[in-house]
Amino acid sequence: AQSVTQLGSHVSVSEGALVLLRCNYSSSVPPYLFWYVQYPNQGLQLLLKYTSAATLVKGINGFEAEFKKSETSFHLTKPSAHMSDAAEYFCAVSDPTGFQKLVFGTGTRLLVSP
Amino acid sequence: EAGVTQSPTHLIKTRGQQATLRCSPISGHTSVYWYQQALGLGLQFLLWYDEGEERNRGNFPPRFSGRQFPNYSSELNVNALELEDSALYLCASSLSNSNQPQHFGDGTRLSIL
Repeated sequence: AQSVTQLGSHVSVSEGALVLLRCNYSSSVPPYLFWYVQYPNQGLQLLLKYTSAATLVKGINGFEAEFKKSETSFHLTKPSAHMSDAAEYFCAVSDPTGFQKLVFGTGTRLLVSP
Repeated sequence: EAGVTQSPTHLIKTRGQQATLRCSPISGHTSVYWYQQALGLGLQFLLWYDEGEERNRGNFPPRFSGRQFPNYSSELNVNALELEDSALYLCASSLSNSNQPQHFGDGTRLSIL
């Protein structure tokens, strides 16, 4: 069975500060990993994905994530936060050999202050 | 390119009624997924359809069902509605390959009175 743990239900940063959202996964097979963002009253937007190619993945809006197998982590970072980054972020894992369902973490709400 | 579209945006029902939610995938996508986002329960996988067939089902009772049409659009039906079915229901679509990401619609908010 696969699972995802997102440490911190809320993360607060100042505008211009580094954003770090943590994600650890558990999977019995090499996983596919994803980060999605959800703005209020909207669906999920794909930020980036890891599907066993380069371990450092660059996504949209200046976000990137690094797959670290030894740490079973896939943390999301952005060098400089913008006010528009305030949203809820979800890490998800899927089993590439299985039934393609996404297993989501519980989400991290990013708050950005001026 | 049009994204995943869901209808209706909001749906209000009472206990015991039946609800039908609709989803149109991105053009060229043959896989459709349904997820439930309920307060306090997070995002839970409901159903996966591909090429008109149900391929996988999450841990939900049989009163949650659906289908996929020849044009790859999909319906989610929820029978005998209960208060705890109140949630945002999200539809996603993807190409069939397992390494293809799922793209989500804006959801249908189902409220049970």
